[in-house]
Amino acid sequence: GQSLEQPSEVTAVEGAIVQINCTYQTSGFYGLSWYQQHDGGAPTFLSYNALDGLEETGRFSSFLSRSDSYGYLLLQELQMKDSASYFCAVLAGDKIIFGKGTRLHILP
Amino acid sequence: SQTIHQWPATLVQPVGSPLSLECTVEGTSNPNLYWYRQAAGRGLQLLFYSVGIGQISSEVPQNLSASRPQDRQFILSSKKLLLSDSGFYLCAWSDPRGNTEAFFGQGTRLTVV
Repeated sequence: GQSLEQPSEVTAVEGAIVQINCTYQTSGFYGLSWYQQHDGGAPTFLSYNALDGLEETGRFSSFLSRSDSYGYLLLQELQMKDSASYFCAVLAGDKIIFGKGTRLHILP
Repeated sequence: SQTIHQWPATLVQPVGSPLSLECTVEGTSNPNLYWYRQAAGRGLQLLFYSVGIGQISSEVPQNLSASRPQDRQFILSSKKLLLSDSGFYLCAWSDPRGNTEAFFGQGTRLTVV
């Protein structure tokens, strides 16, 4: 089966940097994705890592270490609009399995 | 461009009543299709996925079933709803040729009373 672990909540200050970690156990691993979900809305895709290393997209970066079954999402220059839930997800064959999500609280 | 439609947006149903949620995708062919359920403040639980017409894989045995009668149509059903079926149901699609990103519909908030 598959399992993903990520912190349930993280709090950071506006303008700061925050890292959300994700560890996973899965068979048939293809890659790790990150999604953002605002309250009441649908998840939206942020990034995908198939290979080890760091992928940067604007203020957001994502890292993967396949040997450690570990990845993280890095959010820089935090803005109040970044307050949301963030999910890591593994692509395992044709399935996309999500973690339980990390609620990011941003303080002014 | 590709779009995904999911309806209805909200639904209140009595216990024991049937359920049918529909999801359609436009602008792509042979997508992978998914149904997820999200309890309040919780993660996304994969319920069913499909890689082609009539091909349904169930992830969690429960009171629900899914069907894919057409290439870009995915239906979630129940014959008799339970209180525990309440939640936020999300349909999603991905391109099997890349499959790195899931595109979600706007979701259906189901309350079973």
